[in-house]
Amino acid sequence: KAGVTQTPRYLIKTRGQQVTLSCSPISGHRSVSWYQQTPGQGLQFLFEYFSETQRNKGNFPGRFSGRQFSNSRSEMNVSTLELGDSALYLCASSLDGWGEKLFFGSGTQLSVL
Amino acid sequence: EDQVTQSPEALRLQEGESSSLNCSYTVSGLRGLFWYRQDPGKGPEFLFTLYSAGEEKEKERLKATLTKKESFLHITAPKPEDSATYLCAVQAANTGFQKLVFGTGTRLLVSP
Repeated sequence: KAGVTQTPRYLIKTRGQQVTLSCSPISGHRSVSWYQQTPGQGLQFLFEYFSETQRNKGNFPGRFSGRQFSNSRSEMNVSTLELGDSALYLCASSLDGWGEKLFFGSGTQLSVL
Repeated sequence: EDQVTQSPEALRLQEGESSSLNCSYTVSGLRGLFWYRQDPGKGPEFLFTLYSAGEEKEKERLKATLTKKESFLHITAPKPEDSATYLCAVQAANTGFQKLVFGTGTRLLVSP
């Protein structure tokens, strides 16, 4: 059974640009969550999608957005990139999300120059 | 505000030297406490979920316990392959679904 797949693995952007990250969950999983991981802050919750609907959102500015498609694949978008957006962005999936363990992908390492 | 604090930040052990990692939490109603292991360059890998005080779970050399204010991850006779960052996270009963609050982790290094 394939795990959670995130693309691209690495990304380098400059300030002001926008970026789109992709996540394919484990087959059959309908919940997809996104987390930002930085050395100082650890993992911080961005948002969670279930059946194409955003169910929960963390404390991030509106520049961070996401969506989920009918096949449960998800994308997150960051507009007007700032230096502080440099981080590892992790996607996680689960069957339906309530109190279940998360299966994480290997992440997309974003560097903003 | 829900909060998770892990200690120590880093721990160096000799192979076979047992120890414990601590996770203290404050949460408005605990739905579940999770332990994950993260290797460099990879995403976190699930280890345990604990739901109520007094609960214990074991897996190979690892044992997780839970009280009303903290959780411990006991590592018995560790091996070099146990070297990783161990993350603790809580899910509050009133925040809904998959919003986990993570600690910053304990970096464990086990030397042969």
